[in-house]
Amino acid sequence: EAGVVQSPRYKIIEKKQPVAFWCNPISGHNTLYWYLQNLGQGPELLIRYENEEAVDDSQLPKDRFSAERLKGVDSTLKIQPAELGDSAVYLCASSSGQGHGNTIYFGEGSWLTVV
Amino acid sequence: AQTVTQSQPEMSVQEAETVTLSCTYDTSENNYYLFWYKQPPSRQMILVIRQEAYKQQNATENRFSVNFQKAAKSFSLKISDSQLGDTAMYFCAFMIKGGSEKLVFGKGTKLTVNP
Repeated sequence: EAGVVQSPRYKIIEKKQPVAFWCNPISGHNTLYWYLQNLGQGPELLIRYENEEAVDDSQLPKDRFSAERLKGVDSTLKIQPAELGDSAVYLCASSSGQGHGNTIYFGEGSWLTVV
Repeated sequence: AQTVTQSQPEMSVQEAETVTLSCTYDTSENNYYLFWYKQPPSRQMILVIRQEAYKQQNATENRFSVNFQKAAKSFSLKISDSQLGDTAMYFCAFMIKGGSEKLVFGKGTKLTVNP
């Protein structure tokens, strides 16, 4: 069974440019997460989806970040415009949810460098 | 708010020996889950072991075991018979049971297994 798939793996952009990351969760997983991992830190939640609904986006900087999960499957995270401080790894994860502390599976991440 | 503290930024161990990674957490909740994730250089977070707070028995997965001390809010990971492939970042994480399904991570411990 395929795991969580993310693309692109690596992206280098100039500041003020837009960037988008795509995530395909494990089949059948209703819960999808986007985490931000800065260098030397643990991941921090940006947004969590239950099917199509964003149920926790309190940590998403909405002035420049946006996300969507159309049809409750794939998801896209966008940054516009990017700033130097956005250089980080963006991790997508999924789980079957249901409030039972089910295992959260992570993708390999999208590395962003803003120059 | 829940916090997770890993007080050892880096550790090293000789191959075949045993190492223990420390983790403490702070919460007012009584029902929760605790996890250890491994993150190799590829950056994919891989679940190593999980513990449910209501279970007194410490979880074990092959060479990996935990020492869960609920009163002390301590959750250490012991790796026995360390292997070169165990070299990675290790993150301790916390999730409230029946809550937001959100993982809260510590800052991680970089473990190096030396030949």
